[in-house]
Amino acid sequence: GDSVTQMEGPVTLSEEAFLTINCTYTATGYPSLFWYVQYPGEGLQLLLKATKADDKGSNKGFEATYRKETTSFHLEKGSVQVSDSAVYFCARSNAGGTSYGKLTFGQGTILTVHP
Amino acid sequence: SQTIHQWPATLVQPVGSPLSLECTVEGTSNPNLYWYRQAAGRGLQLLFYSVGIGQISSEVPQNLSASRPQDRQFILSSKKLLLSDSGFYLCAGHGQFMNTEAFFGQGTRLTVV
Repeated sequence: GDSVTQMEGPVTLSEEAFLTINCTYTATGYPSLFWYVQYPGEGLQLLLKATKADDKGSNKGFEATYRKETTSFHLEKGSVQVSDSAVYFCARSNAGGTSYGKLTFGQGTILTVHP
Repeated sequence: SQTIHQWPATLVQPVGSPLSLECTVEGTSNPNLYWYRQAAGRGLQLLFYSVGIGQISSEVPQNLSASRPQDRQFILSSKKLLLSDSGFYLCAGHGQFMNTEAFFGQGTRLTVV
């Protein structure tokens, strides 16, 4: 079945460091790919998405590129801030790629950024 | 904007006790609604989804059930909790049109003791 494998955390960085959180997915169908973020005490929020191969999603300085050849969707940011401390979830839409509600998630990566 | 209210944020329940988690939706009508669970060290797993009142689809066999008595209300229940029901439960919604993104509640951390 569909699955998403996400880099295990927790990840601890100093402010202004470079961030990469790896994510790979099973290649069934033509999924859309997402990164969600959960800040402390809040619900999941969509951070960025990509709907087809070679698309790059970007938001708030974060980027991720849909790589079909490596079935990856790694999250990157060039200079993290303390306010980026959160849990990050990689996700793919399920078979059919049309329902953005039925998602398969990775296990989440806790990011802590120190000043 | 679309919002999901989910409560409580944390819950500690004894084994064998009943469970009722509720989420309500604002800002949209006739949403698809979803219950996800995250067990320790694992990703969020889809448990149930509903495309309308009284319509429930179960994705995985388990000790839980779901109901949708009203368009914007989605309830997760159990008659007798097991230790393995502990986890983080997340309610999510999705609008009628496929080009809209899912929106999520804040989640409930359930610990069965």
